[in-house]
Amino acid sequence: QEQLVESGGGVVQPGKSLRLSCAASGFSFSSDNMHWVRQAPGKGLEWVAVIWYDGSETYYADSVKGRFTISRDNSKNLLFLEMSSLRAEDTAVYYCARDIVSAEGIMDLWGQGTTVIVSS
Amino acid sequence: EVVLTQSPATLSLSPGERATLSCRASQSISVYLAWYQQKPGQAPRLLIYDASNRATGVPTRFSGSGSGTDFTLTISSLEPEDFAVYYCQQRNNWRGLTFGGGTKVEIK
Repeated sequence: QEQLVESGGGVVQPGKSLRLSCAASGFSFSSDNMHWVRQAPGKGLEWVAVIWYDGSETYYADSVKGRFTISRDNSKNLLFLEMSSLRAEDTAVYYCARDIVSAEGIMDLWGQGTTVIVSS
Repeated sequence: EVVLTQSPATLSLSPGERATLSCRASQSISVYLAWYQQKPGQAPRLLIYDASNRATGVPTRFSGSGSGTDFTLTISSLEPEDFAVYYCQQRNNWRGLTFGGGTKVEIK
């Protein structure tokens, strides 16, 4: 069945870097735009970034622009989020999500999330 | 940035009752609004997109309406599994997607 599985979360010190991965299966990954969305503890959802199906375009939330990089490897059905200069406010559960084919910007398939804790 | 304001923050209702959730946008977003449901410890689930289109597998008791700046999610008769947090999200500016702060529907 269609599935997204995130990995790579953990505890990291402020100012350090971390790379998250999202493994896709059960659908044509190379045809779909993909997103990262995060949720700080006890808070709401915050969109982080999107990458076009072919990697040709990427867009970021202002809160992460210049620090985070979204990328993908369509040959391996993998989505990535490279996070650098991490701050305490980046602590969150990070979800990868698939863009719905007929409505760009709507996410119809989500992973279960991976937790990032930024703390010294 | 499009700011989405959801109200109320918490809705206390009993099973079988009708739930009406509101989402207001800071500027017109046409019909480009979605609703998601999130239960504790789970990922969000898409319910409604483009204001009134139910996602695949979503029960008919969930309906959405609105356009411009004012949107509503209605649950016609609450089932026990519907008690959760609901978020609205706009895609009018898909280079800068935003979510509302959420409405928690709790058992009265």
